[in-house]
Amino acid sequence: GAVVSQHPSRVICKSGTSVKIECRSLDFQATTMFWYRQFPKQSLMLMATSNEGSKATYEQGVEKDKFLINHASLTLSTLTVTSAHPEDSSFYICSARSGAVNSPLHFGNGTRLTVT
Amino acid sequence: AQKVTQAQTEISVVEKEDVTLDCVYETRDTTYYLFWYKQPPSGELVFLIRRNSFDEQNEISGRYSWNFQKSTSSFNFTITASQVVDSAVYFCALRVTTSGTYKYIFGTGTRLKVLA
Repeated sequence: GAVVSQHPSRVICKSGTSVKIECRSLDFQATTMFWYRQFPKQSLMLMATSNEGSKATYEQGVEKDKFLINHASLTLSTLTVTSAHPEDSSFYICSARSGAVNSPLHFGNGTRLTVT
Repeated sequence: AQKVTQAQTEISVVEKEDVTLDCVYETRDTTYYLFWYKQPPSGELVFLIRRNSFDEQNEISGRYSWNFQKSTSSFNFTITASQVVDSAVYFCALRVTTSGTYKYIFGTGTRLKVLA
């Protein structure tokens, strides 16, 4: 089945620093990638949708200057959390789908970010 | 409104019992897709099934079966003869089209605990 690789799986950083999370589709071309955030024991909250080669569409309430998303190729999207603060600590999950109408979302393994 | 409701927050069963996870959705779209995903303790989301709105045929895959009832806007998931490895959080999701873009709406998840 389709594989989405997300890296790193776990990162601890100091407050004020930036962290980059990579999401790669390994065996298919991901025309659309989605970035989600999941708080403990809660559902997935969509942060933004990115289509290859164009600017990401952010959900209401998500700061685009804080969560920079780049989708430069059909197999790679990155999420950069800039000037991280402890409240940004969370589980971030990327997902990707190909262009086929009935294509499901395939998820990465997630990145647990802890900001100290 | 477009939303997914998983009313069961947590279910505990004893191994070999059957268990049904409920999912009720709301959408104004006439064409949509429904999904179930499994999130084991390791965190990654695993795709289980996809169903489009025109296909009300129930599906069985091994110990898993799904009952799609458009009349009641439900897409329930049954695990037969549950096993400890089935312990996970299960998410039901709805894919709709908003401004020409696919959007995935997740329920809050049902935590299933299968006890040995």
